[in-house]
Amino acid sequence: EPEVTQTPSHQVTQMGQEVILRCVPISNHLYFYWYRQILGQKVEFLVSFYNNEISEKSEIFDDQFSVERPDGSNFTLKIRSTKLEDSAMYFCASRPPGQIVHGYTFGSGTRLTVV
Amino acid sequence: EDQVTQSPEALRLQEGESSSLNCSYTVSGLRGLFWYRQDPGKGPEFLFTLYSAGEEKEKERLKATLTKKESFLHITAPKPEDSATYLCAVQAIGRANNLFFGTGTRLTVIP
Repeated sequence: EPEVTQTPSHQVTQMGQEVILRCVPISNHLYFYWYRQILGQKVEFLVSFYNNEISEKSEIFDDQFSVERPDGSNFTLKIRSTKLEDSAMYFCASRPPGQIVHGYTFGSGTRLTVV
Repeated sequence: EDQVTQSPEALRLQEGESSSLNCSYTVSGLRGLFWYRQDPGKGPEFLFTLYSAGEEKEKERLKATLTKKESFLHITAPKPEDSATYLCAVQAIGRANNLFFGTGTRLTVIP
C-alpha cells in the first residue's frame, strides 16, 4: 500500500537553528499538508499546499515557517530560528484530487526536539 | 468556531467487552467527519469518512455512525491489538482542506 514517507524520524536541534523536515507524498496525490502534535496534545493543522502554492495556513504558521516542493516528489517544511516550544511531532499528509472519501494519508512523523 | 470534543479521554476494556467512543462536533457546515487510529509514536491511520447524518461505515470490529451533532465509534468484541488512541476530525465547508482534530480517546484492551 502506498505510503507517505518522512525523514528524519527524529531530529534534535539547538535553539535558534534552522531545520528542514522532509516528506515524500504518495505519487498521484495533489494536496499536501503539514500538521504538528505537541506531546499529549491534539493534532494541529499548520498548512495546506496545492498547485505549488499555499492554499491555507493556520495562525501557528507564521514567518518562522515555510514550505516548498523543490521537485516532483519532495515536500519540505522549514522552521527557522527554532524555539523550545517548537518541539513536537510533525506529520506530513497528502490526499488525491476529488472526493475525500479515502481520507488523508499521514506519514509516521518527525519528532523534533529543540534543546 | 469549530469544536471537536471526544469522550471519554481514556477507556479500559476487557477483551470481548464492547463499547462506544463519542465525538461531539460544532462546525459551521460539515464537509466530512473522519475517524483515525493512532499508535504511540506513529501518524494517524485513516479508518472512516462520514458525510451526512444517518450514515454508517464498518470495518472489522469497528462501526462508525453520524448524527447532526455527534459521531460514535462502536467497538465490538475488542482485542488487545485494538489498543490505540482513536482520533475524530472534522472538515468544514469553506475551510479549504484542513482537518480539525479532537484530543482523542486512548483505548486499552486487556487480555
